[in-house]
Amino acid sequence: GAGVSQSPSNKVTEKGKDVELRCDPISGHTALYWYRQSLGQGLEFLIYFQGNSAPDKSGLPSDRFSAERTGGSVSTLTIQRTQQEDSAVYLCASSLVGTSAYNEQFFGPGTRLTVL
Amino acid sequence: DQQVKQNSPSLSVQEGRISILNCDYTNSMFDYFLWYKKYPAEGPTFLISISSIKDKNEDGRFTVFLNKSAKHLSLHIVPSQPGDSAVYFCAASATAGTYKYIFGTGTRLKVLA
Repeated sequence: GAGVSQSPSNKVTEKGKDVELRCDPISGHTALYWYRQSLGQGLEFLIYFQGNSAPDKSGLPSDRFSAERTGGSVSTLTIQRTQQEDSAVYLCASSLVGTSAYNEQFFGPGTRLTVL
Repeated sequence: DQQVKQNSPSLSVQEGRISILNCDYTNSMFDYFLWYKKYPAEGPTFLISISSIKDKNEDGRFTVFLNKSAKHLSLHIVPSQPGDSAVYFCAASATAGTYKYIFGTGTRLKVLA
């Protein structure tokens, strides 16, 4: 009975390095979301994947951020040339269908990223 | 511009009493609201939701009230239990096919035994 899993759980990196964060959604969930929570902030929407449709990247804060979802399942969020302001908890969620506000999103435990 | 606001970062309540968590929003297009609960080192989990066609939704000890004219919703937990200690996020969205929830900053609830 696997839920959404994310790896690594913690990542410490030096400013300027690239990082990759991984998300394994619940099997069969077609919609996948990435959020981040910076200190003292709410969850901030980053990107959304739904089936084979083009992803909604409107929440990505800069072109240093990108994400892929291979085979409609696993997703990787990549941050290039990390900056200290990228330090946050990055949360992934999945749902059965993504086109209705009524579809419950199931969250993973998050990856805590610290950029030194 | 914070469209969903939780102005109380923390709240302490005695076990057995009522916990009231508040949330305000500014966008009149929002018509679906959710509450999520988050324990440390875990992702948020869905708790309860309400559509704007209702002003109250109840699920066991949890009740959400919506006041559309005031753009305000609240989550009532009664009776509060120590296991309810967590961070609570409210979230809002507009329907018609949107999937983007706007989350508040969260309120940390501590239920004292």
